[in-house]
Amino acid sequence: DADVTQTPRNRITKTGKRIMLECSQTKGHDRMYWYRQDPGLGLRLIYYSFDVKDINKGEISDGYSVSRQAQAKFSLSLESAIPNQTALYFCATSRPIGSYNEQFFGPGTRLTVL
Amino acid sequence: SQELEQSPQSLIVQEGKNLTINCTSSKTLYGLYWYKQKYGEGLIFLMMLQKGGEEKSHEKITAKLDEKKQQSSLHITASQPSHAGIYLCGAHRGSGGSNYKLTFGKGTLLTVNP
Repeated sequence: DADVTQTPRNRITKTGKRIMLECSQTKGHDRMYWYRQDPGLGLRLIYYSFDVKDINKGEISDGYSVSRQAQAKFSLSLESAIPNQTALYFCATSRPIGSYNEQFFGPGTRLTVL
Repeated sequence: SQELEQSPQSLIVQEGKNLTINCTSSKTLYGLYWYKQKYGEGLIFLMMLQKGGEEKSHEKITAKLDEKKQQSSLHITASQPSHAGIYLCGAHRGSGGSNYKLTFGKGTLLTVNP
């Protein structure tokens, strides 16, 4: 079984709709992250969470919100989806050990906003 | 912010050929991670380098971090179709408590023709 799972894997929606992407992990990691990947732009950090009570904005948080329901769950919401939010979204987890902070990625959610 | 430049952006090689992908930063790299991504899938961790001059190998893939810790290279020997994918480098913003965030390069798309 995958350690980091994302649902849905694919989603097509219309402009203005509210969308929630979910991430679950069985790795027991405290830190969780949401990234989006766009062709030619690489991976960009949207939000990150160090624990259930700690949520932080990343590089491109406008238009997004998150919820850390439990250590194992971190959801990303698009309150009113717009076409330029069409992208591949990744959830990741980590547990830093000293300066080592390998991030473990989920399989991604491909979101298309029409 | 620390930006990572990857080169080349894309690479097409014949099976059996060697190849090198580079990742360069204008600032010191405190932790350099190499990931591989198959099209539309999540990122798979390959290797992490921390010390200047460090070199690590896994099967036919070797990664190096230069002495100045500003450039890393990923070398694949005798490439195979299974090596095809997108290779991304990621690096810490800093050391210690600043290691929560990985900044990624834009990736190198590798195609291996049989």
